[in-house]
Amino acid sequence: SQQGEEDPQALSIQEGENATMNCSYKTSINNLQWYRQNSGRGLVHLILIRSNEREKHSGRLRVTLDTSKKSSSLLITASRAADTASYFCATDAGSNFGNEKLTFGTGTRLTIIP
Amino acid sequence: KAGVTQTPRYLIKTRGQQVTLSCSPISGHRSVSWYQQTPGQGLQFLFEYFSETQRNKGNFPGRFSGRQFSNSRSEMNVSTLELGDSALYLCASSPLTSGGALGTDTQYFGPGTRLTVL
Repeated sequence: SQQGEEDPQALSIQEGENATMNCSYKTSINNLQWYRQNSGRGLVHLILIRSNEREKHSGRLRVTLDTSKKSSSLLITASRAADTASYFCATDAGSNFGNEKLTFGTGTRLTIIP
Repeated sequence: KAGVTQTPRYLIKTRGQQVTLSCSPISGHRSVSWYQQTPGQGLQFLFEYFSETQRNKGNFPGRFSGRQFSNSRSEMNVSTLELGDSALYLCASSPLTSGGALGTDTQYFGPGTRLTVL
């Protein structure tokens, strides 16, 4: 089963608006990453946030992490048509589980309306 | 640097056949991971190789196997194909220069191989 669940499953907004996506996960993690995927292509890494970090910025992206709630959010500000894609969070299970691998969430399909 | 390349890009096979997919990581990357992506199950981890050793394996049957060569190039093989194996197979490489855990560094994905099983 998926470690992460993204919410919402799909989101449509007007160009220029902000888009917020949420990710919830089940087990303790060391790191959480966000990736973008354009229409059936490979994934592009956006940002990595460590479990001891609460917020991180990269350009128009802002990621928050709340380990007590086992959740993360990705905010894209001033959206552009090129931001239309699926967005996934990915978590590592952590060394406590002895099986370091990345587990991806179900994804949020973001559509930016010009 | 050139990105991660995967060959072939598209493949059509019939049930019962076997298939080998190839992945060339970014130069200098020692970790290569494989993922299966389907509309129903989403993105699922298959396995990860680091310096020719399989470090981690996901919950897939033994029909799915892989290997990594000394130049870090990797192949994955699926034997006795089933209809449900139709998917986009993604390969990703990661520097992990210190040999750390998979989630500690960026993964760079290839464009994927679209496998259709008829």
